[in-house]
Amino acid sequence: GNSVTQMEGPVTLSEEAFLTINCTYTATGYPSLFWYVQYPGEGLQLLLKATKADDKGSNKGFEATYRKETTSFHLEKGSVQVSDSAVYFCALGPNQAGTALIFGKGTTLSVSS
Amino acid sequence: DVKVTQSSRYLVKRTGEKVFLECVQDMDHENMFWYRQDPGLGLRLIYFSYDVKMKEKGDIPEGYSVSREKKERFSLILESASTNQTSMYLCASSFPQSRQGIGEQYFGPGTRLTVT
Repeated sequence: GNSVTQMEGPVTLSEEAFLTINCTYTATGYPSLFWYVQYPGEGLQLLLKATKADDKGSNKGFEATYRKETTSFHLEKGSVQVSDSAVYFCALGPNQAGTALIFGKGTTLSVSS
Repeated sequence: DVKVTQSSRYLVKRTGEKVFLECVQDMDHENMFWYRQDPGLGLRLIYFSYDVKMKEKGDIPEGYSVSREKKERFSLILESASTNQTSMYLCASSFPQSRQGIGEQYFGPGTRLTVT
């Protein structure tokens, strides 16, 4: 079945460091891919999305490219800030039969000044 | 903006109590979902609903039931709360893939439930 695997955390970085959080997927067809972010004490917010191969999603300085050949959707940011500290979830869109997203287990990012 | 609200941010209940968690969305979404979130386990789908009075079991439905009497409201019910149901509960909603084509979900702020 469809599944998502993302790197385990926690990831600890200094302010202005480069961030990569790896996400790979297994899927039939070509589902959409998402990154969600959860700040402390809050629900999940959509960070970015990509709907087809080679699409690049971007928002708030974060980027991720839908790579069909490597079945990956890695999240990157060139210079992280303390305010980026949160839990990041990679998610796979529903297939034609289902309606729910499939989430990775989440990666905790902690940025220090 | 899409708004998904949940009835409580924090809730403390005793073992054996019947617990109702309410979720309301204002975007006329057909689909609604209940997840629980636990450290190290990520989000796990409990139930979802794709229409009024329709429901489907998710990955971990045991010990839970749901109700969807109106399109905007989706309730999660713990018939007899147990300590292993202490968790963060997240509600979400979306258009069906056939209508939107993407499946993007919108989440509420979550309810942190403690069962003692």
